[in-house]
Amino acid sequence: EIVMTQSPATLSVSPGERATLSCRASQSVSSNLAWYQQKNGQAPRLLIYGASTRATGIPATFSGSGSGTEFTLTISSLQSEDFAVYYCQQYNNWPRTFGQGTKVEIK
Amino acid sequence: QVQLVQSGAEVKKPGASVKVSCKASGYTFTSYFMHWVRQAPGQGLEWMAIINPSGGSTTYAQKFQGRVTLTRDTSTSTVYMELSSLRSEDTAVYYCARTWNDDAFDIWGQGTMVTVSS
Repeated sequence: EIVMTQSPATLSVSPGERATLSCRASQSVSSNLAWYQQKNGQAPRLLIYGASTRATGIPATFSGSGSGTEFTLTISSLQSEDFAVYYCQQYNNWPRTFGQGTKVEIK
Repeated sequence: QVQLVQSGAEVKKPGASVKVSCKASGYTFTSYFMHWVRQAPGQGLEWMAIINPSGGSTTYAQKFQGRVTLTRDTSTSTVYMELSSLRSEDTAVYYCARTWNDDAFDIWGQGTMVTVSS
């Protein structure tokens, strides 16, 4: 099973600032990597797939990069609605696995 | 619009079974795979299983083999997840989510809370 490790566990950021979230896979997942946003009491929402392609309706403030084992999600200018938990997920191997999440909180 | 609507919250005793439904609408049901993912309180996301609504074939995570069963009803565009021999550690929100072939989960159900308590 591929282990996905996210860092940091919590990121404190001021509104308008940039946030950079990391995700590492225990073995290569090529570009088969997705990012999800989850707010309290809600289902996850797909942000990025293919490591760098924004899903439908996702603003350009969100960008993804990386391949192989190292990935990054960048939120260029944090808005109030962006404070949430973010998960990475690989879909290169079975079983599908998720990182443990990074909570982005208001500084 | 494309949506997945799940059945309501359940409370079960240890050792019992639970069956959760996920009704799809707004797209061709048999064209997308359906998965189940769960989330224990305050925890992360855990993939459980996948079904191909077209032929009904399934794959289960090893952790749940023998306890989880996915079925589908193409006449109502509904997928069912049954989990048996429930224990307290199965207390979680259960989500259905669809994928286009081997891809990311693009649409999620609203989640179903299953509580296992004596």
